[in-house]
Amino acid sequence: DVQMTQSPSYLAASPGESVFISCKASKSISNYLAWYQQKPGEANKLLIYSGSTLQSGTPSRFSGSGSGTDFTLTIRNLEPEDFAVYYCQQYYEKPLTFGSGTKLEIK
Amino acid sequence: QVTLKESGPGILQPSHTLSLTCSFSGFSLSTYGMGVSWIRQPSGKGLEWLASIWWNGNTYNNPSLKSRLTVSKDTSNNQAFLKVTSVDTADTATYYCAHTHGWYLLPYYFDYWGQGVMVTVSS
Repeated sequence: DVQMTQSPSYLAASPGESVFISCKASKSISNYLAWYQQKPGEANKLLIYSGSTLQSGTPSRFSGSGSGTDFTLTIRNLEPEDFAVYYCQQYYEKPLTFGSGTKLEIK
Repeated sequence: QVTLKESGPGILQPSHTLSLTCSFSGFSLSTYGMGVSWIRQPSGKGLEWLASIWWNGNTYNNPSLKSRLTVSKDTSNNQAFLKVTSVDTADTATYYCAHTHGWYLLPYYFDYWGQGVMVTVSS
């Protein structure tokens, strides 16, 4: 299975700041990577697919980059509603696998 | 507007079979290209893809659960189902269903999710 390693697992930031979340794959997955946002009491939300393509409705302050084994989710100018847990997921091969998550909290 | 909602027993005993239902709207599982997947998440832990089913009945299961998983669908009632046999405490988790984007029957990513249903396996 392709192992997905996210870092950091925990991140504290203030509204208005920018944050970077890393996701590393145990083998090359081209750009077959998605990012999700998870908030308590809400349905999980797809933010980005194909490594860098914003899903319809995803604010432009979110961006994704990378290919191969190294990927980054960038959130610029944090808004209060961005504080959540973020997961990456590879779909290069089955079984589909997720990173362990990054919890973004308000500093 | 795509919506999904999971339902299940809440609690069940070890060795029993878990049966979950995903009721959805905004798409049809009889339409070419449509798929639904099941994903679970133990409390405080990460996400695990379990299985996917496509409009034509093709399915993909996570090999880690071997033959314990069965996915099926009822197209006329806009429902998908997941059965997990021989459950134990390790199957305690929140179970999600999700509309699945794929390519040539391979599941890719999940663009709409249900809110999840919590399942506890306990004697």
